[in-house]
Amino acid sequence: QVQLVESGGGVVQPGGSLRLSCAASGFTFSRYGMHWVRQAPGKGLEWVSVISSDGRDKKHSDSVKGRFTISRDNSENTLYLQMNSLRAEDTALYYCARDLHQAAAAYYFDYWGQGTLVTVSS
Amino acid sequence: EIVLTQSPATLSLSPGERATLSCKASQSVSNQLAWYQLKLGQAPRLLIYDASNRATGIPARFSGSGSGTDFTLTISSLEPEDFALYYCQQRSNWPRITFGGGTKVEIK
Repeated sequence: QVQLVESGGGVVQPGGSLRLSCAASGFTFSRYGMHWVRQAPGKGLEWVSVISSDGRDKKHSDSVKGRFTISRDNSENTLYLQMNSLRAEDTALYYCARDLHQAAAAYYFDYWGQGTLVTVSS
Repeated sequence: EIVLTQSPATLSLSPGERATLSCKASQSVSNQLAWYQLKLGQAPRLLIYDASNRATGIPARFSGSGSGTDFTLTISSLEPEDFALYYCQQRSNWPRITFGGGTKVEIK
């Protein structure tokens, strides 16, 4: 069955960096676009980033553009999110999610991990 | 940015009752809307996409309707496992994806 397992979260000071990972299994990872979505404590969901199946096309939300970078390693079935210049408002549970469609991104998310918590605090 | 407004914020119902959740968009999103279920400590679950298509493995008691700016998620007869948070999401102006603020369905 499809499994997505995030890791790499933790407590980091403002201005610091963190790299999240998402290990995928149970499907052909290289055929699907992948996303990061986050949920701040007590808040709703916020889409963060998307990467195409081959890793060539990447998009980020305005709130993280220039600070976060999404990437993937299809040989390792792993998705990444490099987060730099972290701010208090980046504190959230970060989910990786699979795009509904193969190849072209649908921007619907049919499988999600359970999330990894990032806390930005001094 | 397209704003999605969900109502009510909380819905208090008993098992077996019908749940009707609303999601209104600040401008037309055509049929490009999805619904998700979230439970604490669990991975979110896609229920409905393109306003009315049930995702794989989703029971028939879940249905979605609407187009343009007004959308509804209906749970025809609540099961104990359906008490959760529900979010709508639009993809009309991707990549500027937005989610609604959520509706909590709680046991009365």
